[in-house]
Amino acid sequence: SAVISQKPSRDICQRGTSLTIQCQVDSQVTMMFWYRQQPGQSLTLIATANQGSEATYESGFVIDKFPISRPNLTFSTLTVSNMSPEDSSIYLCSVITSGRPYEQYFGPGTRLTVT
Amino acid sequence: AQSVAQPEDQVNVAEGNPLTVKCTYSVSGNPYLFWYVQYPNRGLQFLLKYITGDNLVKGSYGFEAEFNKSQTSFHLKKPSALVSDSALYFCAVRGYGGYNKLIFGAGTRLAVHP
Repeated sequence: SAVISQKPSRDICQRGTSLTIQCQVDSQVTMMFWYRQQPGQSLTLIATANQGSEATYESGFVIDKFPISRPNLTFSTLTVSNMSPEDSSIYLCSVITSGRPYEQYFGPGTRLTVT
Repeated sequence: AQSVAQPEDQVNVAEGNPLTVKCTYSVSGNPYLFWYVQYPNRGLQFLLKYITGDNLVKGSYGFEAEFNKSQTSFHLKKPSALVSDSALYFCAVRGYGGYNKLIFGAGTRLAVHP
């Protein structure tokens, strides 16, 4: 399985500011995703991070609020912009590797609290 | 549209007893089904998957799951529960082919009591 790291692991941010979360994978992956887990809730897919092109966003999520970059096969960033307390969640990076195309692995998550 | 239902918010079981965590799904075509576990303050860990073949699949930590196409279910089971199995369990489904979007159930909290 792939080893996925995320930075930061947690942060407390002020309303109106932005935070960029980094995701690094130890091997090349075919697909990368960003999920959100609100307190006490399940996981919701935010977007698929596409290498070298704009991310594909799910319904209810927009690029202005959650810009995503994926400059290469092993790295992606998610920015949470103009934050409000409703953005307080765990944000998880997830990947599918070429070696195991049916399995999807998750990073440790970034716990974000917006005050 | 794909969907997953986990009808129980919480399952309580005594240590040493068998456990079952329920999951039903809805998807067009043949499903790809998964179970993940989340321990406190940790990310999701992959437990097992059903893609094709035997309906009973075995996974990590002694867990297994049974795929039942007629009942559209994929229940997670373990013959003898451990206190350390206490965690949040998520069932997930991916539709066959095309866009590889993984849809999660609401999660079931498993509490194993000594």
